[in-house]
Amino acid sequence: AQSVTQLDSQVPVFEEAPVELRCNYSSSVSVYLFWYVQYPNQGLQLLLKYLSGSTLVESINGFEAEFNKSQTSFHLRKPSVHISDTAEYFCAVSENTGNQFYFGTGTSLTVIP
Amino acid sequence: DTGVSQDPRHKITKRGQNVTFRCDPISEHNRLYWYRQTLGQGPEFLTYFQNEAQLEKSRLLSDRFSAERPKGSFSTLEIQRTEQGDSAMYLCASKILSVSEAFFGQGTRLTVV
Repeated sequence: AQSVTQLDSQVPVFEEAPVELRCNYSSSVSVYLFWYVQYPNQGLQLLLKYLSGSTLVESINGFEAEFNKSQTSFHLRKPSVHISDTAEYFCAVSENTGNQFYFGTGTSLTVIP
Repeated sequence: DTGVSQDPRHKITKRGQNVTFRCDPISEHNRLYWYRQTLGQGPEFLTYFQNEAQLEKSRLLSDRFSAERPKGSFSTLEIQRTEQGDSAMYLCASKILSVSEAFFGQGTRLTVV
């Protein structure tokens, strides 16, 4: 079975500062990796994903994540955050057969003006 | 809107009552998932369907919970004899088998009083 660990439950950061949200996973098989974002009282929205190929993946709103197989990590980064980035961020993993998704406990990102 | 639709968005019920939630997936999505999310936690897998077949159920899905997807389109999740511990956000997601990511609805927030 797979599992996901998000070590940081809350990350406060000032506007325009860089941020990194950490995600580590464990799996005995090949996996797909995802970052989802959740705004208050909303469902989850896909931010970005890693399937194969280039280990650095990017989203349309400036986030990027790097897959590191040796460290079993998929950390999310943004060089300059905006107030609108305040949300809950979930890292998720699925087997590449895609039967099920396993989520971390989430990281609450708060951007301070 | 062609996204995943869940109804109702909010439900308050007395302990011991039965509740039923509905999920309408994105058209032609053959996989449908139910997740439960409690405060401060990531989504936890409950069950999933491929078309009308329920292929996997989590041990979290006690005998008070039942899910159906009778015609391979919409799905219902019923909780019988609700308990306070059932209070949570219930999320539905759907995907096409050949696509890696799942698309989530906005969830149904259940409060058992």
